[in-house]
Amino acid sequence: SAVISQKPSRDICQRGTSLTIQCQVDSQVTMMFWYRQQPGQSLTLIATANQGSEATYESGFVIDKFPISRPNLTFSTLTVSNMSPEDSSIYLCSALGGSNEQYFGPGTRLTVT
Amino acid sequence: GIQVEQSPPDLILQEGANSTLRCNFSDSVNNLQWFHQNPWGQLINLFYIPSGTKQNGRLSATTVATERYSLLYISSSQTTDSGVYFCAVGDRGGADGLTFGKGTHLIIQP
Repeated sequence: SAVISQKPSRDICQRGTSLTIQCQVDSQVTMMFWYRQQPGQSLTLIATANQGSEATYESGFVIDKFPISRPNLTFSTLTVSNMSPEDSSIYLCSALGGSNEQYFGPGTRLTVT
Repeated sequence: GIQVEQSPPDLILQEGANSTLRCNFSDSVNNLQWFHQNPWGQLINLFYIPSGTKQNGRLSATTVATERYSLLYISSSQTTDSGVYFCAVGDRGGADGLTFGKGTHLIIQP
């Protein structure tokens, strides 16, 4: 299994600003994913982050709002841009294990005021 | 896209009881996983089970892909089993992002 860490664990940000969330995996992985979990809700896939190529975004999510980097096989970042209160959520990254199971980081709890 | 329905939405049990959680999905899948989200928000992968049956201690899971459902069994429940259980599926191959159900909120009372 992969061990995944995220920074920051939580943050309170002002409307109109941007926040970059970091995701670090303890081993090399081919695929990483970013999800959003709104308060009391289930998880929604934002995008798939592959090393060496552009991220693939799901319907309803765009690169200008959620730019993603994947510079190597152990690291990825997600930026939440021009934030509004509706962006208040938990943002989680995951990594693909050797048998296609996904392992999740602890999440970043974002509050936008 | 694929629809994932989980039942029951909420379940309250006494310690020691057994439970069965169900996941129905609307189309063929080649990736199905069960997760437990503990009260602190951490998601733990329980099973990768696109078909067949697996067991891990007090937990077991069965997926009948042809009938588009999966079951998660929890035996001899403990208070640490409390949390939300999610079923998640993928339809673009094993290595793809997942579509999550709304979860079953399980409370185990001592």
